[in-house]
Amino acid sequence: AQSVTQPDIHITVSEGASLELRCNYSYGATPYLFWYVQSPGQGLQLLLKYFSGDTLVQGIKGFEAEFKRSQSSFNLRKPSVHWSDAAEYFCAVRGDSWGKLQFGAGTQVVVTP
Amino acid sequence: DSGVTQTPKHLITATGQRVTLRCSPRSGDLSVYWYQQSLDQGLQFLIQYYNGEERAKGNILERFSAQQFPDLHSELNLSSLELGDSALYFCASSKDSYNEQFFGPGTRLTVL
Repeated sequence: AQSVTQPDIHITVSEGASLELRCNYSYGATPYLFWYVQSPGQGLQLLLKYFSGDTLVQGIKGFEAEFKRSQSSFNLRKPSVHWSDAAEYFCAVRGDSWGKLQFGAGTQVVVTP
Repeated sequence: DSGVTQTPKHLITATGQRVTLRCSPRSGDLSVYWYQQSLDQGLQFLIQYYNGEERAKGNILERFSAQQFPDLHSELNLSSLELGDSALYFCASSKDSYNEQFFGPGTRLTVL
């Protein structure tokens, strides 16, 4: 069965510092992978996606993610965080051919001054 | 703004009642997905429709049902509500099963 693991429930980072959020997946075929962000009281906004091709993908808001098949990982990075990046981040894998998403438990990011 | 709209934004009701949540997908999107977000279960897929037909079911209770209408909007019906049904319900849409999903703002359901 497919699964998505986000090992870090909570991360605190200083404004201006770099950020890396981990995501590991278990999936039999070539995965379609996504990162979404959820700000308080908001819906989920798509940050970036990986379907195929270049394993380093660029997203919105200065985020990027790298797909590593050998490590079954799809980690999200940002070189310099802003206070507005405080939110919950979800990694997701497309679970079947019909497109349903399987989400990780999420990582809450707190940004300190 | 994702282009996906959901109404109502908040819903407070009592146990045993029935509610209907509504979703309008982005223009041109044929596929609609419903997800439930709760503190104990996280984000869980409930059901998917594509161009009016049910395509996939997840952990959806028998008390819950959904449909997609000819104009492609979708409704999620929750009946015989229990306290544990309190959650945030999201609708998402995509062009088809192979494209990314865009999420609506959600409906927060509180069952008292």
